[in-house]
Amino acid sequence: QIQLVQSGPELKKPGESVKISCKASGYTFTDYAMHWVKQAPGKGLKWMGWINTYTGKPTYADDFKGRFVFSLEASASTANLQISNLKNEDTATYFCARDYGGDFDYWGQGVMVTVSS
Amino acid sequence: DVLMTQTPVSLPVSLGGQVSISCRSSQSLVHSDGNTYLHWYLQKPGQSPQLLIYRVSNRFSGVPDRFSGSGSGTDFTLKISRVEPEDLGVYYCLQSTHFPWTFGGGTKLELK
Repeated sequence: QIQLVQSGPELKKPGESVKISCKASGYTFTDYAMHWVKQAPGKGLKWMGWINTYTGKPTYADDFKGRFVFSLEASASTANLQISNLKNEDTATYFCARDYGGDFDYWGQGVMVTVSS
Repeated sequence: DVLMTQTPVSLPVSLGGQVSISCRSSQSLVHSDGNTYLHWYLQKPGQSPQLLIYRVSNRFSGVPDRFSGSGSGTDFTLKISRVEPEDLGVYYCLQSTHFPWTFGGGTKLELK
């Protein structure tokens, strides 16, 4: 069955970096793009961008240009999200989600990233 | 950016009842390829969102026919009939016609 399994929760200090992973199984990883979605505590969903899992090319929404990097370990069917120079407002749950022709049919369980001094 | 406005924000319902959620976009969601990329998700407490309806009116695999989507252009509706306990949570619409993709603010379906 199709699964997206994300890495565990992270507690970081402002200015530090974090890398979270999303391991896919049950399908051919390079056939479907992967998206990233942010959800701040008690808030709604915000689309961050996506990565072409065949070419490795990332596309970022404007609010996520600069400190955010999408990458792949295609041999391991894994997509990664790295956030550098963490700020308090980066505290959120980050989801990966598979692109199904313009929508998201499968989601990871989410990774809670807490930024606190 | 395309603004997605969902109403109501909170929707009290009795089990077995019927409800409708509205999602309006600030511009037409008809893509140049002729498709309309408007989708609906349910996020149950403590869970990841799950796809209910894709491209306005297509139920995703395993979604009961109590859920139906309709609409066109800028005005879309999700209807839920015979509401069951597992339907409670926050509903979001998503447009993926225009960059950047944008979600509605959410509608919380809760028991009266």
